Amino acid sequence: EAGVTQFPSHSVIEKGQTVTLRCDPISGHDNLYWYRRVMGKEIKFLLHFVKESKQDESGMPNNRFLAERTGGTYSTLKVQPAELEDSGVYFCASSQELWGNTIYFGEGSWLTVV
Amino acid sequence: AQRVTQPEKLLSVFKGAPVELKCNYSYSGSPELFWYVQYSRQRLQLLLRHISRESIKGFTADLNKGETSFHLKKPFAQEEDSAMYYCALRSGGYQKVTFGTGTKLQVIP
Repeated sequence: EAGVTQFPSHSVIEKGQTVTLRCDPISGHDNLYWYRRVMGKEIKFLLHFVKESKQDESGMPNNRFLAERTGGTYSTLKVQPAELEDSGVYFCASSQELWGNTIYFGEGSWLTVV
Repeated sequence: AQRVTQPEKLLSVFKGAPVELKCNYSYSGSPELFWYVQYSRQRLQLLLRHISRESIKGFTADLNKGETSFHLKKPFAQEEDSAMYYCALRSGGYQKVTFGTGTKLQVIP
């Protein structure tokens, strides 16, 4: 069974540019999460999809971040325009059931804004 | 608000020595506690959870509600244990997980 896959694995962009990160969850997993780890800080929750609906987006830092999950399959996280403080690792995770299930993480997308 | 604290950024121990990675949490309800591990160039993966009370790769962790702690322990460190370890908390079964800042464990041969 394929795990959670993320693309790109690494991205270096200039301040003001746009970057789109993609996540493909494990097949059949309705729940999809985005997390972020900024250098030296903890891994922070960004948002949670149940199928194509946003269940919880309380962790999204500001309106420069837009997450979508059209059709309830893969998800994209777009940062526009990117700022220096957006640099970090963006993790995607998925799980089958909402309650009490194991969350499976992707390898993360490293974003560097220069 | 829920919070997870890992006081040590880096912990270096010699191979064969005991390991204890500290984790304290704050949460008003009954939390579910986890340890996640990320080995070099690998994805974050679940190591153990307090409700299963199992030992994985020789690691154990006991939830101490009085001290609000969930320290990770292993009696004899191995080189392959070198990794980044994250303590995490989930409230009420809902999947939103709160992570600590992580502790890098370095096992010296």
